[in-house]
Amino acid sequence: DSGVTQTPKHLITATGQRVTLRCSPRSGDLSVYWYQQSLDQGLQFLIQYYNGEERAKGNILERFSAQQFPDLHSELNLSSLELGDSALYFCASSPGLYSGRIGNEQFFGPGTRLTVL
Amino acid sequence: DQQVKQNSPSLSVQEGRISILNCDYTNSMFDYFLWYKKYPAEGPTFLISISSIKDKNEDGRFTVFLNKSAKHLSLHIVPSQPGDSAVYFCAASSITQGGSEKLVFGKGTKLTVNP
Repeated sequence: DSGVTQTPKHLITATGQRVTLRCSPRSGDLSVYWYQQSLDQGLQFLIQYYNGEERAKGNILERFSAQQFPDLHSELNLSSLELGDSALYFCASSPGLYSGRIGNEQFFGPGTRLTVL
Repeated sequence: DQQVKQNSPSLSVQEGRISILNCDYTNSMFDYFLWYKKYPAEGPTFLISISSIKDKNEDGRFTVFLNKSAKHLSLHIVPSQPGDSAVYFCAASSITQGGSEKLVFGKGTKLTVNP
């Protein structure tokens, strides 16, 4: 158990709909990262928040948005869903800003599997 | 443009032997490299990292080697154990002038360690 929780575990929805994925980081971690894992694409970094502020953006579509709340939990909002958005969405947390630096390893949640029909 | 490439989608080795997973990158601005392990139905787990100022970092059975001139890194697992069977992701990181991080992952290599 990494200490990072994600809800829901599974989500099935239709094209054109909007969904919200939720992540609670490990206690004390200030950074939250969101990733998308599609079948052929490996892990794609989407976005990072640190202490409530957006810090880094990866390959995140304009239809997607995220935020981190004062209690440090984060939500990823996916709108106008398309079939290609079906994927595993992971959240990770770390104490500080930069991945992999000593003392700032990322801990991943179990993921939310999104299926768009 | 795939900036981080893991050209072998899968690798199979015998228990007790060495596993070598390879990763190539194209962006010379990357200054940190990371390896993650992922079991089915679980999130990735951080394994080991290396700074670009080093050429080797060791942690128990896991060693990462970095060849900056070749823009190549490899993860060695010795000895390999059946519990090491998982998908391994290579990732590269750089810090922009604005202080934000660019983080790029490879597509992963599925390692199978046979008893």
